[in-house]
Amino acid sequence: DAEITQSPRHKITETGRQVTLACHQTWNHNNMFWYRQDLGHGLRLIHYSYGVQDTNKGEVSDGYSVSRSNTEDLPLTLESAASSQTSVYFCASSAGMNTEAFFGQGTRLTVV
Amino acid sequence: AQTVTQSQPEMSVQEAETVTLSCTYDTSESDYYLFWYKQPPSRQMILVIRQEAYKQQNATENRFSVNFQKAAKSFSLKISDSQLGDAAMYFCAYRSAFNAGGTSYGKLTFGQGTILTVHP
Repeated sequence: DAEITQSPRHKITETGRQVTLACHQTWNHNNMFWYRQDLGHGLRLIHYSYGVQDTNKGEVSDGYSVSRSNTEDLPLTLESAASSQTSVYFCASSAGMNTEAFFGQGTRLTVV
Repeated sequence: AQTVTQSQPEMSVQEAETVTLSCTYDTSESDYYLFWYKQPPSRQMILVIRQEAYKQQNATENRFSVNFQKAAKSFSLKISDSQLGDAAMYFCAYRSAFNAGGTSYGKLTFGQGTILTVHP
């Protein structure tokens, strides 16, 4: 079955380190999204992509970057991890303009 | 920019009873989609129900139904015959229905979430 997977599921890192969270989908969806979930804020959009070589900033993009070199993957990089980036991160994908989004199971990142 | 507000951080209901979760939103767009997502302790995001703004009829999925008031920008979720498995965090979300200059479609704007507890 097609799916969207995130790895790792849990990660602890130190302040200042570079961290990359993986997102891989097998639906061949063009659209991919990264959100972060924080208590009292719901999910907020970090970055998104509408296709290979396309990336766009979301609402809370500072300190994060993405790259889209193929259809299946959209890795999220924290250039220099900060304690404020401790959160649960969700990747999602969708096929087209008005189609349902499918979510990965999330990555809990703790920055100490 | 669109905003979504869930004013109830927590709600509780007795098993088999009915509960309504509130959601309001703000937008200048005339065509859009609204969603309710369920997030159980497993963290998985599960789509519960979807409403298209141009459809006046309220969406229904088994025990889940919505009260969509477009003029009031209100989108509440009613859960009937509540079950223990309904206990979760519920998120209301908004999505534009069209491509506004190539940068708007597909993105979801979420509310803060409501934690629903179901008592046996």
